[in-house]
Amino acid sequence: GENVEQHPSTLSVQEGDSAVIKCTYSDSASNYFPWYKQELGKRPQLIIDIRSNVGEKKDQRIAVTLNKTAKHFSLHITETQPEDSAVYFCAATQRQVKTIFGAGTRLFVKA
Amino acid sequence: KAGVTQTPRYLIKTRGQQVTLSCSPISGHRSVSWYQQTPGQGLQFLFEYFSETQRNKGNFPGRFSGRQFSNSRSEMNVSTLELGDSALYLCASSDAKGRRRDGYTFGSGTRLTVV
Repeated sequence: GENVEQHPSTLSVQEGDSAVIKCTYSDSASNYFPWYKQELGKRPQLIIDIRSNVGEKKDQRIAVTLNKTAKHFSLHITETQPEDSAVYFCAATQRQVKTIFGAGTRLFVKA
Repeated sequence: KAGVTQTPRYLIKTRGQQVTLSCSPISGHRSVSWYQQTPGQGLQFLFEYFSETQRNKGNFPGRFSGRQFSNSRSEMNVSTLELGDSALYLCASSDAKGRRRDGYTFGSGTRLTVV
């Protein structure tokens, strides 16, 4: 069925290191892949997204890559800072109407 | 631009009761989606409305229903509440134009506790 798998569930890095979160989707009709950051007690917020006609997108310290053939997409955060600590959700949107979320990755950035 | 407004913020209900949650999307957004967030299950899709029509529905029992009004405001209703319905219910507004999907802006959510 429709599914988005996200790994790892927890990630701990040292400040300044890079963090990578990976997702796999099942529906080949998915064409839009957003990433959300949710800080403790707050609502999820869109941080970056990528569409199926693009392989990579970058915005300052964050970047997302998409491999349509393998149905993989990844979030890369470089030069991590303590304020990057949060739960990150990947998502895949199917046929414009249904967005399925991964289970989330809890990122800890140690100062 | 005002954000996505959800009311109420907190609710405590007893088993068997029913509840209605409200969401006002960003002005001009016609798409409203609802999600249930729990610590163990993440963000689970409930349904999406666009121009007063339900376009898709997740795998939730019929006790969960919703509707959207002509001003794009949406409500979701849960009848015969169960303890397992305790969760944060998030509404997401999107400026979906035709076949192009854009990201969500989430509301602050309604935290429902069933006792």
